[in-house]
Amino acid sequence: LAKTTQPISMDSYEGQEVNITCSHNNIATNDYITWYQQFPSQGPRFIIQGYKTKVTNEVASLFIPADRKSSTLSLPRVSLSDTAVYYCLVPMDTGRRALTFGSGTRLQVQP
Amino acid sequence: NAGVTQTPKFQVLKTGQSMTLQCAQDMNHEYMSWYRQDPGMGLRLIHYSVGAGITDQGEVPNGYNVSRSTTEDFPLRLLSAAPSQTSVYFCASEGGAPGELFFGEGSRLTVL
Repeated sequence: LAKTTQPISMDSYEGQEVNITCSHNNIATNDYITWYQQFPSQGPRFIIQGYKTKVTNEVASLFIPADRKSSTLSLPRVSLSDTAVYYCLVPMDTGRRALTFGSGTRLQVQP
Repeated sequence: NAGVTQTPKFQVLKTGQSMTLQCAQDMNHEYMSWYRQDPGMGLRLIHYSVGAGITDQGEVPNGYNVSRSTTEDFPLRLLSAAPSQTSVYFCASEGGAPGELFFGEGSRLTVL
């Protein structure tokens, strides 16, 4: 079974770049890694998804090293509105479509 | 296009009662799933479905049943509610890329 590990919390200031890492020790070579943002009392919202190397969209970048045992979500120039909990999502085990969330990283952005 | 719709939004049950949380999506997504989120915690997968007539267990399936008779609907049944099932329940469907989930607004369940 895939086991994920994320830092419990991170603090940052407005305008800084924030990098949040998720360790996932046992995912298949063709599994996608997805990241979500969640605000209080809301469902998670899709941020970015990757398979290998680097992916960038209008809000974030995702870095996946060659061994795929981790992934790093990069948020450039965070603002107060980025204060939220961030989760990685990976398949629970090979051959099944069960998708499991990491434990989540609570990001607090200060002015 | 409503996306993923969950009902009810709030429910209070007594221990031992049963109920069904409804989830419907209008995006013609084959994959649907249910998660629970306990206060201050992360999301845990209860059950999922890859299409009509096909369901499978997730991380915490005990005490819950699901069925998938249509592409649109994926109800979650609590057989005999327990206080440990007090949680917020999220339904999601997968569209676009693998792992790109669209979530409902959640159903907040309290079991007394």
